[in-house]
Amino acid sequence: KAGVTQTPRYLIKTRGQQVTLSCSPISGHRSVSWYQQTPGQGLQFLFEYFSETQRNKGNFPGRFSGRQFSNSRSEMNVSTLELGDSALYLCASSLASWDEQFFGPGTRLTVL
Amino acid sequence: QKEVEQDPGPLSVPEGAIVSLNCTYSNSAFQYFMWYRQYSRKGPELLMYTYSSGNKEDGRFTAQVDKSSKYISLFIRDSQPSDSATYLCAMSAPGSARQLTFGSGTQLTVLP
Repeated sequence: KAGVTQTPRYLIKTRGQQVTLSCSPISGHRSVSWYQQTPGQGLQFLFEYFSETQRNKGNFPGRFSGRQFSNSRSEMNVSTLELGDSALYLCASSLASWDEQFFGPGTRLTVL
Repeated sequence: QKEVEQDPGPLSVPEGAIVSLNCTYSNSAFQYFMWYRQYSRKGPELLMYTYSSGNKEDGRFTAQVDKSSKYISLFIRDSQPSDSATYLCAMSAPGSARQLTFGSGTQLTVLP
């Protein structure tokens, strides 16, 4: 079966701009989580969506937001980009109950 | 102090060696423990999952959890060059099972 897909794979933005990243979960998966990965901080949890509702949120500023659509696809948005937002943004999906999270290949965001 | 501490390495071993990777944690609420493998420019993939304390074996991989010491380990037997990757421990608590807290990752190289 098809894995988690993320688009775009690479993105370059400048400070102050905003960006939207997209994630398509594995078919049938209703939970989508987002993570930020940087060399300094490692992998950090951003938020989780289940059936279009945010279930958990990590310790990130309000500039980071997300949503989930009825087909379980999810988007995350970062407004007023800062240099420190440069990172690999990973999306993971899982079935309704606790189950293995499958990660996508990530979107590498560079903020100049 | 981070909730999850992991020796970043790098760790270099000859082919066939036994590899030991470890993490310590401070949050006693953690009940779910995982090991992920991440190849360069890829998303993490789940290797092992353990609930609460105990051992779990899967082929060449063995995961151990000692909740009394807040210490988890991953052993790789008969290591292969294809095992060269970054290994990440991750854990979560009941009620927020998909909100994973990751270690910083250990970079492993298995030399032929």
